[in-house]
Amino acid sequence: QQKVQQSPESLTVSEGAMASLNCTFSDGTSDNFRWYRQHSGKGLEMLVSIFSDGEKEEGRFTAHLNRASLHVSLHIREPQPSDSAVYLCAVNTGGLSGKLTFGEGTQVTVIS
Amino acid sequence: AQTIHQWPVAEIKAVGSPLSLGCTIKGKSSPNLYWYWQATGGTLQQLFYSITVGQVESVVQLNLSASRPKDDQFILSTEKLLLSHSGFYLCAWSLRGDEQYFGPGTRLTVL
Repeated sequence: QQKVQQSPESLTVSEGAMASLNCTFSDGTSDNFRWYRQHSGKGLEMLVSIFSDGEKEEGRFTAHLNRASLHVSLHIREPQPSDSAVYLCAVNTGGLSGKLTFGEGTQVTVIS
Repeated sequence: AQTIHQWPVAEIKAVGSPLSLGCTIKGKSSPNLYWYWQATGGTLQQLFYSITVGQVESVVQLNLSASRPKDDQFILSTEKLLLSHSGFYLCAWSLRGDEQYFGPGTRLTVL
């Protein structure tokens, strides 16, 4: 059964500095890996979806995947206070059924 | 453009009472539909998924049931709520297991 762990639990960064989040998983054969974020009491907003080893950039968000080391990271360039949210790593473990296994999240706080 | 709507926005219910939460998707034909649950401070868990009308698969047993009466509608329900059902319920859609797009969620408080 796929296990997904995120670190750190919480992160405070200054506006404009780079924020880096980590996610490790137990099964590297999963189809794809995603990063979502959730503002307090709201639904999930998809940020980046990555399928192949390497890097994928979506605006200010860049994901790095390394299946061999069972690791996917998210980097937020020039974070703003509006980026303060819980960031969730999710692994697609269900193929066509689309079952996602989520990590517990990283609370990111961006201060001015 | 596709839209996903969940109702109600929030609900406060008594233990033992029935529950029905709804989700509709407009602008997409034959989407995969999903229900997720997030206990306060807990991890998001997938509860059910449906690939087609009338067919629902259970992923986690929580004394809840789900139905898909129409292509664009997904219903989550139970006849008797438990305290442990409190949390945030999210509906999502995708096309054949691809990226999932989430609704705004329903906050449920069971007292």
